Amino acid sequence: QSALTQPRSVSGSPGQSVTISCTGTSSDVGGYNYVSWYQQHPGKAPKLMIYDVSKRPSGVPDRFSGSKSGNTASLTISGLQAEDEADYYCCSYAGSPYVFGTGTKVTVL
Amino acid sequence: EVQLVESGGGLVKPGGSLRLSCAASGFTFSNAWMNWVRQAPGKGLEWVGRIKPKTDGGTTDYAAPVKGRFTISRDDSKNTVYLQMNSLKTEDTAVYYCTTVNAGRFDPWGQGTLVTVSS
Repeated sequence: QSALTQPRSVSGSPGQSVTISCTGTSSDVGGYNYVSWYQQHPGKAPKLMIYDVSKRPSGVPDRFSGSKSGNTASLTISGLQAEDEADYYCCSYAGSPYVFGTGTKVTVL
Repeated sequence: EVQLVESGGGLVKPGGSLRLSCAASGFTFSNAWMNWVRQAPGKGLEWVGRIKPKTDGGTTDYAAPVKGRFTISRDDSKNTVYLQMNSLKTEDTAVYYCTTVNAGRFDPWGQGTLVTVSS
C-alpha cells in the first residue's frame, strides 16, 4: 500500500487561506469516506483535526475544513494564524487497513 | 481525562527484540480498537498494526513491513496494549505511538516512545 501523496510544503500570510491536497486511489481515498487529517507540531504527538472527510472534533476551530472529490481529499485552513504552522498528514481507510499521506509542512509567512 | 502512555522504548541491536507497552485510562479500554503508528526520524507517519476488542474477535492486522516480526496483544484487566517487536532492523528506528481508532479517526494519541535500532 503506497502512501497518499501530499505537497511537501505550502505557505501563506496570516489571514490568508491555504489548501493541502491528498491524492490516493479508488482503493483508499476514493473508495471510503474515512479520510482524516492530523496536525503535528515539532516533537509533539499528532492531533486529530478532521475526520470522515469533513467533520471537526469538538475544540477544533472552524477555520479548518475538509472535502473530497474522487480520489483526492483536501484540507483548507482559512484565516491562517501563526499557531497553524505545523506538519499536516491525511489518512484514509484502505481495507489493509490504513494509509497515511506523505505530510505537508505549513509555513506562516 | 482520556490518556494513553507508552513505555518500553530504547536502544536495541539489529536482530534484537523489544516490547512496548501502552497504558490507557479515561475510557472503556475493552471496547477499544487499539493501534500502533510509527514515525521514523524526519519522516511521516506509518500505520503499524491494530488489535480489535475481544467482542470483535480480538484479531490483529499488520502493515506489510512488520508482518511476521511484530505482534500486538492486549490485557484488558490492565488496560494495556503491547507491541512485541522481534528481528528488529535499522529501518524500524522510529517514535512509536499508541492510538485508538473509531471508524476512520485516530484519537487520542499517546506521547510516543523512541525505539533506536543500531549496532
